[in-house]
Amino acid sequence: GAVVSQHPSWVICKSGTSVKIECRSLDFQATTMFWYRQFPKQSLMLMATSNEGSKATYEQGVEKDKFLINHASLTLSTLTVTSAHPEDSSFYICSIKQDNYGYTFGSGTRLTVV
Amino acid sequence: DQQVKQNSPSLSVQEGRISILNCDYTNSMFDYFLWYKKYPAEGPTFLISISSIKDKNEDGRFTVFLNKSAKHLSLHIVPSQPGDSAVYFCAAESMYSGGGADGLTFGKGTHLIIQP
Repeated sequence: GAVVSQHPSWVICKSGTSVKIECRSLDFQATTMFWYRQFPKQSLMLMATSNEGSKATYEQGVEKDKFLINHASLTLSTLTVTSAHPEDSSFYICSIKQDNYGYTFGSGTRLTVV
Repeated sequence: DQQVKQNSPSLSVQEGRISILNCDYTNSMFDYFLWYKKYPAEGPTFLISISSIKDKNEDGRFTVFLNKSAKHLSLHIVPSQPGDSAVYFCAAESMYSGGGADGLTFGKGTHLIIQP
């Protein structure tokens, strides 16, 4: 299956600033990408489904104005955490889905807001 | 409301023995189940999956059993090896029930520790 590259792997930012996380699908054109968040000792929670060329679909309880998703090309989706606060500190993971290979996940991004 | 539950946060097993990780689900629309292995600060790695039309799927040392009536599945690892120590996540989706590419619903994970 394809490789999913996620960048950065970790980031520390000040409260009130914005952080962009990139998710790249290598060797596969992904019309859909998924963004998950994992808090310590919790499950991975689906935040949103990123759709190439159109608006993302957000899960209930996820603020779309806070977590901006852009899927401008078939190989790149970005998640921007705007005006980040300490409670946004979490592990963010993206994934793609291929018909014959199922879901492939990126390596994740550890966000710490101080 | 957790639709996928892994009630054991951790499990310790001796090397060479069988590891059994359990998972329960509540959503009857789930028809495809997956197990992932995850190391700290890394994304999950796919292990094995099972469709709701089957009750067992085997791949090398890994076997997944599905009991639809009980809404329960389990992952068996035998023999357990030190490299199996990781967090294991159970996940589910409505693949054939019109869910489309809706993403996965995960349990909280079970930390498997293989003791030498």
